[in-house]
Amino acid sequence: GENVEQHPSTLSVQEGDSAVIKCTYSDSASNYFPWYKQELGKRPQLIIDIRSNVGEKKDQRIAVTLNKTAKHFSLHITETQPEDSAVYFCAATTSGTYKYIFGTGTRLKVLA
Amino acid sequence: DTAVSQTPKYLVTQMGNDKSIKCEQNLGHDTMYWYKQDSKKFLKIMFSYNNKELIINETVPNRFSPKSPDKAHLNLHINSLELGDSAVYFCASSQVSAYEQYFGPGTRLTVT
Repeated sequence: GENVEQHPSTLSVQEGDSAVIKCTYSDSASNYFPWYKQELGKRPQLIIDIRSNVGEKKDQRIAVTLNKTAKHFSLHITETQPEDSAVYFCAATTSGTYKYIFGTGTRLKVLA
Repeated sequence: DTAVSQTPKYLVTQMGNDKSIKCEQNLGHDTMYWYKQDSKKFLKIMFSYNNKELIINETVPNRFSPKSPDKAHLNLHINSLELGDSAVYFCASSQVSAYEQYFGPGTRLTVT
């Protein structure tokens, strides 16, 4: 069935450095890829998303890239800050299915 | 005001009991979801309703029964609770044409 692999499972970076989280999906019909940030004890919150007709999208310090041929997409956070510390989830979905397949999450720690 | 709300926030109960969790959204969305997040933080879809019609019904024990009285509400009833049901249950909603899903604050269920 559909599957989304996410790496790494944990990531520690120094404040000010960049962080990259990678996901690979299995369903070539997937066409929407959101990223969620979940702080401890809180709800997952959508931080950025990308559709299959776009290769890259940027929002301030956050960017997402998509390689449809290789079926992978990545989250890039630049100039990391302590408040970026959280668990990040990628997901993939296909139009008409309504269903998100989530990756297993990446725990990001930004060290001050 | 709060877009997706859930009650209760915490639920502690004994094995064998029956309990319900309620979800409401005021975003005008037509699709609502229940997710289960286990102790390892894995997020897994359980059910989805579109305009009060069940459209996703994953492999979930039939002790779990969702009900959607209208587009703005989705409830989850769990019969004969088991230790393995302990998790955080998130409700989410979306407009089917827009893909983005918005999560409620979660209900932490602890079965003792």
